[in-house]
Amino acid sequence: NAGVTQTPKFQVLKTGQSMTLQCAQDMNHNSMYWYRQDPGMGLRLIYYSASEGTTDKGEVPNGYNVSRLNKREFSLRLESAAPSQTSVYFCASSEYGEETQYFGPGTRLLVL
Amino acid sequence: AQSVTQLDSQVPVFEEAPVELRCNYSSSVSVYLFWYVQYPNQGLQLLLKYLSGSTLVKGINGFEAEFNKSQTSFHLRKPSVHISDTAEYFCAVSDPGNQGGKLIFGQGTELSVKP
Repeated sequence: NAGVTQTPKFQVLKTGQSMTLQCAQDMNHNSMYWYRQDPGMGLRLIYYSASEGTTDKGEVPNGYNVSRLNKREFSLRLESAAPSQTSVYFCASSEYGEETQYFGPGTRLLVL
Repeated sequence: AQSVTQLDSQVPVFEEAPVELRCNYSSSVSVYLFWYVQYPNQGLQLLLKYLSGSTLVKGINGFEAEFNKSQTSFHLRKPSVHISDTAEYFCAVSDPGNQGGKLIFGQGTELSVKP
């Protein structure tokens, strides 16, 4: 099992450009999450999907959109990137009732 | 809203010394509590979790944590650290009644183990 995979590993964007971060899990989990990690701020939830077909905003959703494509895949889209979105983005998944979240290796995004 | 405070942003310690990383959360009727570890340039992995039952929880790599409801704390301890324990440690909380299992993370504590 690969667990949670994320692509790309690293990306540089110019202000105003768009991109989609991809996440997939092979553990048949129902719930998936997108976090951003910034120095001194821990991880903050951007969006989550409690189950296939549903998505909800987290703590910092502005500037982002998500798509739960199927049970395995949960993508995060930046429509018009801003320097404030420079961060490390983590995808995670969990099974309801198990309460443990499994994290991907992260995507480092630099917006110039 | 639930919040988590990790009281130390950096903890330097010598190899084989004991260590305690402190975590406090805002009060709630009931909570689930977690400690995650992040090694350099990697994702997070679970060290241990408290869902219910015994307040002393043992995790991987010799770590343990104690849930103290009256002090709303969940401090992480290890009696003797190794160089390989150098990493960032995150305390997190979730609300058992919250659909979706959302985690609220603390700011992180950087543990640096020196020879």
